[in-house]
Order: sequence, then C-alpha cells, then structure tokens
Amino acid sequence: GAVVSQHPSRVICKSGTSVKIECRSLDFQATTMFWYRQFPKQSLMLMATSNEGSKATYEQGVEKDKFLINHASLTLSTLTVTSAHPEDSSFYICSARDPGYYGYTFGSGTRLTVV
Amino acid sequence: GNSVTQMEGPVTLSEEAFLTINCTYTATGYPSLFWYVQYPGEGLQLLLKATKADDKGSNKGFEATYRKETTSFHLEKGSVQVSDSAVYFCALSDQGTGGFKTIFGAGTRLFVKA
Repeated sequence: GAVVSQHPSRVICKSGTSVKIECRSLDFQATTMFWYRQFPKQSLMLMATSNEGSKATYEQGVEKDKFLINHASLTLSTLTVTSAHPEDSSFYICSARDPGYYGYTFGSGTRLTVV
Repeated sequence: GNSVTQMEGPVTLSEEAFLTINCTYTATGYPSLFWYVQYPGEGLQLLLKATKADDKGSNKGFEATYRKETTSFHLEKGSVQVSDSAVYFCALSDQGTGGFKTIFGAGTRLFVKA
C-alpha cells in the first residue's frame, strides 16, 4: 500500500530557531498533501493543504509566515516552523491522499519540543 | 459545515470484552467514513473505511457500518485485546471547495486491561 515517510520523528530546538519537517510519498505521487497539528490528548487540526507547484492553502487562524510550506515535487512537501516558540511545541503529522482509494495515508508524525 | 462527533473517553475494558465506540457525523454531501487508530507516540493508521451507505468496513476484528439514516459509523469489536489499547479517531472525507479534506472526531482513548 501507499507509504508516507515523515522526518524527523522527534526534534528539540531552541526558542527562536527554525525547524524543517519533511513529508515524502514513497511509492506514489502526491499532488496534494496535508499538514495537521495535534495537541496532547486532542484531535488533529488541519493546518494547511500543500499543493505541488503552487502556494499552500492555510486554514483560518494558521499563520502562513510562521508555518512555511513548500511542495516542490510530487513526492515531497516540507513544513518549516520559523522562529519557534515553546507554544509551537506539538505533534505535527502529514498525510497524502492514497490514489488507490478514498482515504489518506499518514506519516508517523514529528514531535517538536521548543525549549 | 461537516463535523464528526464521537464518544468521549477514556474507555476502559477488560480483555475479551465487547467494544463499541459511537460516532455520528453531519455532512452536506456524501462523505466517505473512516476509523483511524493511533498508538502511543505514533502517527495515524487507517483501521477501516466505508465509502457509501450500508457499506461495512472491517479489519483486525473491528467493524463499522455506514448508516445514512442515523448518520452514524459506530466502531465495534467482539473481543478486545490488550494490544488494542490506543486512541481511535472517527473521520469523514468529503469534497468541498478546497478539494477533499478529512475531518476528525476528537478521538476516544481505549485502555484494555489484562
């Protein structure tokens, strides 16, 4: 089946630095990928839709200058958390639509801790 | 807009007990419905899906039936195991103005005791 690889799985960074998270579709092409954020013991909140070759579409309330998304190829989307602060600490998960069915394949997630 | 409501947890069961996690949805179109499972520290894995009314999704002993008349997609398992302890998310996917999007319920944490 379709596989989405997300890297890194865990990252700790200092306040004020930037962190890049990669999401790759390994055996299929994904023109659209999605980035979610999950707070402890809560559900996933869609942050943005990443479109290959064009600008990402951000959900209401998500700062696009804070969370930079780049989808430069059909198999790679990146999320960069710029000037990270402790309140950005969260679990970030990407997903891509599996072309085989009406469902989505998720990456394994990235636990970001800003200290 | 579309939404998903699932029962609050945590749900604590003994091994081999019967499991039901309720899920209801509201949607303007004809969504596909999913159950995802998240084990501690991991991402989400698709557990089962149903794409139209009366479809039954099943996997690993779990089942859920797409009930359009009650707008429900309850998850059931006849005999749970300790290894089923995880968080379960009900979700729907529908095509809106922004393309297909998945909306998740709040998640239900399941603890299974030996």
